Amino acid sequence: EIVLTQSPATLSLSPGERATLSCRASQSVSSYLAWYQQKPGQAPRLLIYDASSRATGIPARFSGSGSGTDFTLTISGLEPEDFAVYYCQQRSGWPPIFTFGPGTKVDIK
Amino acid sequence: EVQLVESGGGLVQPGGSLRLSCAASGFNFNNFWMTWVRQVPGKGLEWLAIMNQGESERFYVDSVKGRFIISRDNAKNSLYLQMNSLRADDTAMYYCARHNYISSVGDYWGQGTLVTVSS
Repeated sequence: EIVLTQSPATLSLSPGERATLSCRASQSVSSYLAWYQQKPGQAPRLLIYDASSRATGIPARFSGSGSGTDFTLTISGLEPEDFAVYYCQQRSGWPPIFTFGPGTKVDIK
Repeated sequence: EVQLVESGGGLVQPGGSLRLSCAASGFNFNNFWMTWVRQVPGKGLEWLAIMNQGESERFYVDSVKGRFIISRDNAKNSLYLQMNSLRADDTAMYYCARHNYISSVGDYWGQGTLVTVSS
């Protein structure tokens, strides 16, 4: 089973600052990696798929990079609505088995 | 507008069964794989199951294999999750999602339905 590790667990930043979130896989997942944002009481929202492609309607301040085992989600300038929990998620290929990382909470400093 | 609306959650005793439904609208349901994900309150996300358009391919996480069954009715634009032999650790919010991109579980998600397993 592929295990995803996210760091840091919590990131305390101010609006306007740059956020850099890390996701590491226990073995290569190629580019089969996605990122989600979740706010309290809401369903997850897809931000990035295939490691670096923005989903429909996602602002350009969100970007994803990486391949293999190391991935990064960058938020170039935090807006007030960006304070939330962010999860990475991988797909194992075939058969399609998906796992999520434990999440990174981005809160207001 | 893509919409997914889950229903069927509630309180059930350990060992009991429950059937969740997910009503889809705003897209051609027949064209998409569909999936279920759950989240224990205050905890992380766990993918549960996925199936293809024609019900010929179904895959499950090990923790629910043999207890949960994913199914769909394309004529009704609906996805289902039959949950049997429920345990206390199945208590969670259950989400359905549309699987659109190969790498991601889902690009659109419902708001979830809460299942509580308790005596």
